[in-house]
Amino acid sequence: DAMVIQNPRYQVTQFGKPVTLSCSQTLNHNVMYWYQQKSSQAPKLLFHYYDKDFNNEADTPDNFQSRRPNTSFCFLDIRSPGLGDAAMYLCATSREGVRQETQYFGPGTRLLVL
Amino acid sequence: GEDVEQSLFLSVREGDSSVINCTYTDSSSTYLYWYKQEPGAGLQLLTYIFSNMDMKQDQRLTVLLNKKDKHLSLRIADTQTGDSAIYFCAESETDKLIFGTGTRLQVFP
Repeated sequence: DAMVIQNPRYQVTQFGKPVTLSCSQTLNHNVMYWYQQKSSQAPKLLFHYYDKDFNNEADTPDNFQSRRPNTSFCFLDIRSPGLGDAAMYLCATSREGVRQETQYFGPGTRLLVL
Repeated sequence: GEDVEQSLFLSVREGDSSVINCTYTDSSSTYLYWYKQEPGAGLQLLTYIFSNMDMKQDQRLTVLLNKKDKHLSLRIADTQTGDSAIYFCAESETDKLIFGTGTRLQVFP
């Protein structure tokens, strides 16, 4: 049973054309995360929501935005994708977001920018 | 800042044991994790260890933690071709994970 779902699995966009990636969860977890993972690199946290509270990492570019309309869904908006934004984008959830909480990852959306 | 380091590659013969090593810097990490990532897929939690433990065994997986040296290892017994993947260790910092660089494990017949 899928717990963290990401759609689409592959997304192609054009340079500068806004794109939205989606994530949904059936775990009813309070915290949702977005990571960017470039080829052969570790996942890098972009931001996370604790319930409705948005927490942005200091080095996340302004080009990246997020929305969480309800507990189940979270969106990643890239306003003007550049070639350097091509990556795998991973969504994750955790129940409470404290040190001892396990994060559950979705399968990821691979973004290609032409 | 926090830094988690791993060796990049490991190649083993099918049936042998694999040992993947990781060093971390945040001595206050409560939990340390091992994740597996197969090609084109997301991260799958394999196992984790609480910082007051030295060892944890889960079927073919054994995690060893040396808190003094800030060293974590994952041993996979009887490695199979299906174990070929990238393995990430991660330490927890408040409400986020800091991942290592990943170790690519290749299993050959």
